[in-house]
Amino acid sequence: NAGVTQTPKFQVLKTGQSMTLQCAQDMNHEYMSWYRQDPGMGLRLIHYSVGAGITDQGEVPNGYNVSRSTTEDFPLRLLSAAPSQTSVYFCASKGLSYTDTQYFGPGTRLTVL
Amino acid sequence: KNEVEQSPQNLTAQEGEFITINCSYSVGISALHWLQQHPGGGIVSLFMLSSGKKKHGRLIATINIQEKHSSLHITASHPRDSAVYICAVRIPNTGNQFYFGTGTSLTVIP
Repeated sequence: NAGVTQTPKFQVLKTGQSMTLQCAQDMNHEYMSWYRQDPGMGLRLIHYSVGAGITDQGEVPNGYNVSRSTTEDFPLRLLSAAPSQTSVYFCASKGLSYTDTQYFGPGTRLTVL
Repeated sequence: KNEVEQSPQNLTAQEGEFITINCSYSVGISALHWLQQHPGGGIVSLFMLSSGKKKHGRLIATINIQEKHSSLHITASHPRDSAVYICAVRIPNTGNQFYFGTGTSLTVIP
């Protein structure tokens, strides 16, 4: 199993550009989520999904869109990048039981100039 | 307002020392997780606790539900234990959402 994969690993954008961060998992997990990690702050939830066709907002959803057309894929779209979106982004997946382990992708380091 | 507080923020230890990292939370939880973030950035889950104590190798995690507190202990620490350790809680009735502490950065010196 590849686990949770994310692409790209690094990205530099200019203010106003759009892009999609890709996330895929091969563990047949229902729950997938996107977090951002900023210095001095804990991981913060952007959006999450409990299954194909179902998405919901987390703590910091503004400026981001998600969709879940398949169980495996959960892309994160930045609509119009802003310098405040400079961060490290992690995708994660787990089963729906609260006892299930959460698996994280390797992260995407995004810089918005 | 942060539901999860960790201490210390930074910790330096000599190889072989016994290490304790603390996590306190302010709300009722259904589960608490300890995560390890390697210097390269990858995050792995170490433990999930809803009560009591768990042990894996040199790592021991405990939780006291009444006191809203958990500790992560590392026995016979080694330089390869150097990482950021993150506490995360799952709060009931918030879907599957987790709330994370800011992490404890551990450096173990040979």
